[in-house]
Amino acid sequence: KQEVTQIPAALSVPEGENLVLNCSFTDSAIYNLQWFRQDPGKGLTSLLLIQSSQREQTSGRLNASLDKSSGRSTLYIAASQPGDSATYLCALTSGTYKYIFGTGTRLKVLA
Amino acid sequence: DVKVTQSSRYLVKRTGEKVFLECVQDMDHENMFWYRQDPGLGLRLIYFSYDVKMKEKGDIPEGYSVSREKKERFSLILESASTNQTSMYLCASSGPRGGPNEQFFGPGTRLTVL
Repeated sequence: KQEVTQIPAALSVPEGENLVLNCSFTDSAIYNLQWFRQDPGKGLTSLLLIQSSQREQTSGRLNASLDKSSGRSTLYIAASQPGDSATYLCALTSGTYKYIFGTGTRLKVLA
Repeated sequence: DVKVTQSSRYLVKRTGEKVFLECVQDMDHENMFWYRQDPGLGLRLIYFSYDVKMKEKGDIPEGYSVSREKKERFSLILESASTNQTSMYLCASSGPRGGPNEQFFGPGTRLTVL
């Protein structure tokens, strides 16, 4: 059974710092992996999607990588800003319609 | 841009009431999903639909039903609301079939059952 883990559960960093969020999974047979951001009381916003055949995707200050052999994806945020404060979730699917979500990392960027 | 809208941001209902939550997407996506999100439990899939009139149970379907009469609209129904259904409900859609299946979420409905 696929399990998705995000560690740490919470993280505080000073503004301007580069940071890495981690997402680990137990079964490498995945179809794609998606990173989301969630602000308090709101829905999820899609940040990046990495398909199984890809190693990384970039959007602005965000870069997501995927290493299926080690069961790991990372979300790199460059030059963090207070507006980046949110909960970040990863989710993956093995090709069926069903997504499995991690429990998220709550990020706080201090001004 | 994909847009997923939900009928209400906040809803307060009484125990035993029948509750309808509606979700509409404007990107002609085949797949639509209903999740609930609770502190410490993360997102849990209630039902999903991969085509009009087609539905499949997710992880926690008990106490819920769904309806998909049109491709763009997916409704979640609480037949007889109970206090343990107080939660944040999130709708999502993805497509096209054979594509990357990127999921897009609506803003959520915070349901309180008294």
